[in-house]
Amino acid sequence: DQQVKQNSPSLSVQEGRISILNCDYTNSMFDYFLWYKKYPAEGPTFLISISSIKDKNEDGRFTVFLNKSAKHLSLHIVPSQPGDSAVYFCAATYGGSQGNLIFGKGTKLSVKP
Amino acid sequence: EAQVTQNPRYLITVTGKKLTVTCSQNMNHEYMSWYRQDPGLGLRQIYYSMNVEVTDKGDVPEGYKVSRKEKRNFPLILESPSPNQTSLYFCASSSIARADTQYFGPGTRLTVL
Repeated sequence: DQQVKQNSPSLSVQEGRISILNCDYTNSMFDYFLWYKKYPAEGPTFLISISSIKDKNEDGRFTVFLNKSAKHLSLHIVPSQPGDSAVYFCAATYGGSQGNLIFGKGTKLSVKP
Repeated sequence: EAQVTQNPRYLITVTGKKLTVTCSQNMNHEYMSWYRQDPGLGLRQIYYSMNVEVTDKGDVPEGYKVSRKEKRNFPLILESPSPNQTSLYFCASSSIARADTQYFGPGTRLTVL
């Protein structure tokens, strides 16, 4: 049973527009959520995170929103740039999980010039 | 440069031939872990280590061994590889205080024939 779901395998966006990547989770114990970005032939790179005590966290062009009641989080990239083209993984964890990150399957973002 | 390195990056082997994938980090991180990435399944944790001589199973440990004799190194050992262990493997590390925000190596693509 998938605990972290990214239901969109791919997303295509025009340069300069907003990219919105979605993630749903089922485990109520999760209290920390992360987004990783992955380029081909490289390992995932940490992008941004959010604790369950917050509903928004912003870092430059990247903002993550958390809706605990809906068990849903989203990553907004504004404005999108061609260099943002990558696979984005949503991950979740909880205190006591000993650092075991539970990953979604990923969403491939393509930003077109 | 702070980094996690893995060797080899690519490996093709045959069923039953023991192999080791090395992982090393230069950030003095206490926490290290191994993940495998398979199509349609995201990343899943194999083993993790909270510190030297302290290791424990993740979600998919069957067929793997690890050791942590030094803080910087965390090798993944496949004593008798099988075709279902064909996968993309990632090593990750973090400080123990921030085991949720892990830094990943570039990956090792393993094919077992």
